[in-house]
Amino acid sequence: DVKVTQSSRYLVKRTGEKVFLECVQDMDHENMFWYRQDPGLGLRLIYFSYDVKMKEKGDIPEGYSVSREKKERFSLILESASTNQTSMYLCASHRVRGYYEQYFGPGTRLTVT
Amino acid sequence: AQSVTQPDIHITVSEGASLELRCNYSYGATPYLFWYVQSPGQGLQLLLKYFSGDTLVQGIKGFEAEFKRSQSSFNLRKPSVHWSDAAEYFCACRYGGATNKLIFGTGTLLAVQP
Repeated sequence: DVKVTQSSRYLVKRTGEKVFLECVQDMDHENMFWYRQDPGLGLRLIYFSYDVKMKEKGDIPEGYSVSREKKERFSLILESASTNQTSMYLCASHRVRGYYEQYFGPGTRLTVT
Repeated sequence: AQSVTQPDIHITVSEGASLELRCNYSYGATPYLFWYVQSPGQGLQLLLKYFSGDTLVQGIKGFEAEFKRSQSSFNLRKPSVHWSDAAEYFCACRYGGATNKLIFGTGTLLAVQP
């Protein structure tokens, strides 16, 4: 089974802090994604990566950056956390060939105070 | 713009009753279609997927979905709901071409009454 893990299930940070969310997948998937999930808005794509060191902006990249130094690891960085970044963050991955179904991690619930 | 619509924000059904969750997409051709389920505090789990072939697809946990091109719909069904099915359900589409992105609906929250 594909396994996608995220470094923290719950995280509380202060406004202005730099925040790192880590995601690791163990199935050698080429593509990885970061979403944020908010009630009534569904999942919104922040960034995705289609190869090591390659990234592309999603629909809501403002206030975020990403890093992919190794194929299995994709990090989301909040340069200066703000209260409007309080949300559930979900990481996903998929392989390029096939049905393109994405496999999700358990999520990180981030609260910025 | 391409979009996925789940018109029902919240649905309540009795245990043992049948269930249908609606999903509509906007696209001229046939996209890749998915249904995911999210239990409270968890990530999303894939229930089923469709790309081509038989328009009725079977998934895990006794769910099925039917693709109807004429209605641009991909509705999820289950003949008899169990209390453990209470969760949030998301429909998603991958549109053709070079993009690897999925577009998600806003979700339908299912409550199951005893």
